[in-house]
Order: sequence, then C-alpha cells, then structure tokens
Amino acid sequence: AQSVTQPDIHITVSEGASLELRCNYSYGATPYLFWYVQSPGQGLQLLLKYFSGDTLVQGIKGFEAEFKRSQSSFNLRKPSVHWSDAAEYFCAVGLLKAAGNKLTFGGGTRVLVKP
Amino acid sequence: EPEVTQTPSHQVTQMGQEVILRCVPISNHLYFYWYRQILGQKVEFLVSFYNNEISEKSEIFDDQFSVERPDGSNFTLKIRSTKLEDSAMYFCASQKTTSTDTQYFGPGTRLTVL
Repeated sequence: AQSVTQPDIHITVSEGASLELRCNYSYGATPYLFWYVQSPGQGLQLLLKYFSGDTLVQGIKGFEAEFKRSQSSFNLRKPSVHWSDAAEYFCAVGLLKAAGNKLTFGGGTRVLVKP
Repeated sequence: EPEVTQTPSHQVTQMGQEVILRCVPISNHLYFYWYRQILGQKVEFLVSFYNNEISEKSEIFDDQFSVERPDGSNFTLKIRSTKLEDSAMYFCASQKTTSTDTQYFGPGTRLTVL
C-alpha cells in the first residue's frame, strides 16, 4: 500500500526567507504526486501536481516541487515566503484507477511565518 | 471560480444519532469523494463514487456509513449511528475525470459526537 511521510510537523520561517518542505513516499508504481495547502477555515487547495515528464513542477503562489525517484521524494520549495503562506501543507500520492483517484496524504507540515 | 461547498460547517450530535453531511460538488464533475481528518491525524480516504455507485471504499467505511447522490447536485455522507470516534473534519471532493484532473476539496464539516 502507498504511504506518504512528511518529517517536519512544524516549520517557522522569516518572511522573505526560502522555504522547503519535505515529502517522502512509498509506492510500488509510478506515483501521481500532489501538494495541497490548507489555510484556517478553508478546504484543501491544490498547489501543484506531478504525473510525468519534467521532474521540476511549477505551481501556484510561486511554489515549485521536484520529483526525485531515486530518493522517493517530492519536496516543495518557495524562494521567498510571504506572510500569507502561513498554513498547513499536505503532500499526497494518488492511485489512478478507472473509477476514481484515491489520495493518500502525509501528516502535514504547519508553516509559521515570522515578520 | 466554481467551488465545492459543504453544509453544515459544524455539526454537534449525540452518540448513537444519525447525521447527514451534505456536499455540493462542482457542477460538471463526475467523480466524488469523502475524506476525513481526525484531530491531529492524517487526512484519510473514505469512499469514492462514480456513475451512481461506490467505486472504492476504505476499511473505515463500514456498514454505518453510506453515500448518496439524491439529485443532480448534492452528494451526501450518512452515518447511521454515530460513535465518539467519528468526531472529525469531513471533506468532500469532486473531480471532472480521473486522468490528470485535480480533486477539488470543500471547506469541510467538523463533526463533534458527544
């Protein structure tokens, strides 16, 4: 069965500094990988996704992620963090079936942004 | 931009009572999901629904749970006899197709079972 690990439960970063969130997955086949963000009181919003092709994926809000098959990782990065990036971030792996895309989520990383 | 909506935002119920959580998926989407997140734990898949039937369910989704699309717009999750351990945030999601399309999530319903 697939699984996702996000080693960092909390990360605190200063506004303007760079951010990297780690994600490791376990999956027997080529994974479909996702990063979602959840702001307080909001649903999960997709930041970016990887299915195939270029291993560096660009997303919304200035985020990018790099798929590294050799390390089973899909880390999320942002060069310069804004106060509005304070939220919880979830990495997920998708299992594509004919009648649905079950997502398996990591435990999430809560990002706090210091002024 | 179209969005998934869920009602109510917070539901409090007594143990043993039935609850129905409601979702309105995005209108042209064909695939529907329920996930839940117990406080402090991971978001977990419950069930997927396509073409008016369940396509996959997790081991959590036992006989106490059911889903329905009673009309062309709503998608509901029913818990027949709630337990304390059903207390969680429940998220509905919808997806246009199952290729590379995004699953769009609603804001969630927080269920508290007393």
